Amino acid sequence: AQKVTQAQTEISVVEKEDVTLDCVYETRDTTYYLFWYKQPPSGELVFLIRRNSFDEQNEISGRYSWNFQKSTSSFNFTITASQVVDSAVYFCALSPYNTDKLIFGTGTRLQVFP
Amino acid sequence: GAVVSQHPSWVICKSGTSVKIECRSLDFQATTMFWYRQFPKQSLMLMATSNEGSKATYEQGVEKDKFLINHASLTLSTLTVTSAHPEDSSFYICSAPRTPGADEQFFGPGTRLTVL
Repeated sequence: AQKVTQAQTEISVVEKEDVTLDCVYETRDTTYYLFWYKQPPSGELVFLIRRNSFDEQNEISGRYSWNFQKSTSSFNFTITASQVVDSAVYFCALSPYNTDKLIFGTGTRLQVFP
Repeated sequence: GAVVSQHPSWVICKSGTSVKIECRSLDFQATTMFWYRQFPKQSLMLMATSNEGSKATYEQGVEKDKFLINHASLTLSTLTVTSAHPEDSSFYICSAPRTPGADEQFFGPGTRLTVL
């Protein structure tokens, strides 16, 4: 079975704190893709990153960074120096081999307080 | 960048009526589109894969006769919720890759359906 687990339902932090959102996935495919999306209150999904299963390099984009570890089937997302505008629901998703459909985790609601 | 639009953005209907939701790729052709449903404070669940020129592929547990999908052209897929009931009230979101295996899927802004 293919599954994505985001154990943290809600996280609250104060502005400028760092926060890590966890994502653990299950798949038997050797080739797959992992994604992170942000869903602000408006509801529209915002693409953050796609990572393929053969690329375990960590990635940094501004205040965002991602840590992909195949050994633990995890693809964690860290926001450094969080801001109020980061408040949203964040979804981790898995795309199985040879398909563009996405299996989403349950999401983590992040609230950043001023 | 690529844009996917949905129409309407919200709709309220009476129980027993049918509602059509459109998903359009505005600046690219999409041979495949996906329909997701999101209940309040829950995750997105894939309902079906819409294939241009052929029948849609439904996920397990999704009623084909209730959620009719038509991929009429390379830029338009429609989802019709037939004989809608209050439990069908949800946020419906479509997505499309610019090309198969594309780096990014483009999501529509969603359609909020409320069935009274």
